[in-house]
Amino acid sequence: GNSVTQMEGPVTLSEEAFLTINCTYTATGYPSLFWYVQYPGEGLQLLLKATKADDKGSNKGFEATYRKETTSFHLEKGSVQVSDSAVYFCALSARPGNAGGTSYGKLTFGQGTILTVHP
Amino acid sequence: DTEVTQTPKHLVMGMTNKKSLKCEQHMGHRAMYWYKQKAKKPPELMFVYSYEKLSINESVPSRFSPECPNSSLLNLHLHALQPEDSALYLCASSQDPSGSSYNEQFFGPGTRLTVL
Repeated sequence: GNSVTQMEGPVTLSEEAFLTINCTYTATGYPSLFWYVQYPGEGLQLLLKATKADDKGSNKGFEATYRKETTSFHLEKGSVQVSDSAVYFCALSARPGNAGGTSYGKLTFGQGTILTVHP
Repeated sequence: DTEVTQTPKHLVMGMTNKKSLKCEQHMGHRAMYWYKQKAKKPPELMFVYSYEKLSINESVPSRFSPECPNSSLLNLHLHALQPEDSALYLCASSQDPSGSSYNEQFFGPGTRLTVL
């Protein structure tokens, strides 16, 4: 089956520090990959996405590159802000035409990484 | 309108109560989802509706009863819940349940449910 593994948290950084949150996946075929962010007391927001190998997703200064050879989708930001404090979830979605095709409509999430940024 | 809305925002209920959660989207999406999320954990899929028909039930207890009255609305009816059912309940929608495109899901803000 499909699975997503994120680096263990929590992660605590000072403002303007560099951020990396590692994410690796196991999936049949060619999944789409996502990073979702959840701010305190809110639902999940899609942060960025990539649908094929070597695609780079980017949004709000965050970036992640779909690396098929290493089955990874690490999240990076060059300079974090206090407002980036949140829980970050890596996720994948199976696509049709592969062994996981019947599981379309299902997102597989990583366990989440809590990020706290101090002034 | 690119929003998924959920009501109520908070709900407190006793174990003998019957209540309903409501979810609405006006993005023309044809797949809608219910998730349960415990604190600091990833969401757990409960149900998927595709073109208003239930397509996935992740072995959810019958005290949770979903309903999709039309393509924009999704309800979750609750009856005889247990304290361990206390959680954040998230609704989501996506454009294309046929699987012909990547499955980007848009989430609502959730209903925080407390069962006493």
